[in-house]
Amino acid sequence: EVQLVQSGAEVKKPGESLKISCKGSGYSFTSYWIGWVRQMPGKGLEWMGIIYPGNSETRYSPSFQGHVTISADKSLSTAYLQWSSLKASDTAMYYCARLSMTIDYWGQGTLVTVSS
Amino acid sequence: QSALTQPASVSGSPGQSITISCTGTSSDVGGYNYVSWYQQYPGKAPKLMIYEVSNRPSGISNRFSGSKSGNTASLTISGLQAEDEADYYCSSYTSSTPLYVFGTGTKVTVL
Repeated sequence: EVQLVQSGAEVKKPGESLKISCKGSGYSFTSYWIGWVRQMPGKGLEWMGIIYPGNSETRYSPSFQGHVTISADKSLSTAYLQWSSLKASDTAMYYCARLSMTIDYWGQGTLVTVSS
Repeated sequence: QSALTQPASVSGSPGQSITISCTGTSSDVGGYNYVSWYQQYPGKAPKLMIYEVSNRPSGISNRFSGSKSGNTASLTISGLQAEDEADYYCSSYTSSTPLYVFGTGTKVTVL
């Protein structure tokens, strides 16, 4: 069974760093792109970027380029999304998703709350 | 990269059919047969309902169907049921980075 399991909810202060994770199982982790999706409170879905764990090729949405870093550790079958300096506006639910010309599997989501 | 355009809300009575549109450009919806539709309940992860324009994953009711004409894709829900009340998003492969784009989302209300 294909599963994407994300790390738990986080509460951080502005300026702090954060790295959240997404562990894939039940399939060849290196053979599918993994994407990260942001959903701000009461808002729609936004693509942040995608990574191919097989060779770590990464593509960012222009809106997120330079603000987050997407990475993967294929030995752990885990993808990551990280911030070096969080802002209150980063408060959102973040989903990872497996891509095969469509998003066929989603993680359960990681709620990130940034508040002083 | 602009989001695909969906109506903000669509409503219907139980048993009726509704259609949600998803309008893009020749660089996304019109250029590829990789349009998908997702259903999302509040506080839950989205769920794949339609892929590659008109295909249903295993376990998805045949009340859900998809189509495409030019730069506009559509999701039709027939025999509307109370459980269909949710948010729906389309998505398409695109020639622009990061290769995928979502629609703006549509809230379906069952009257």
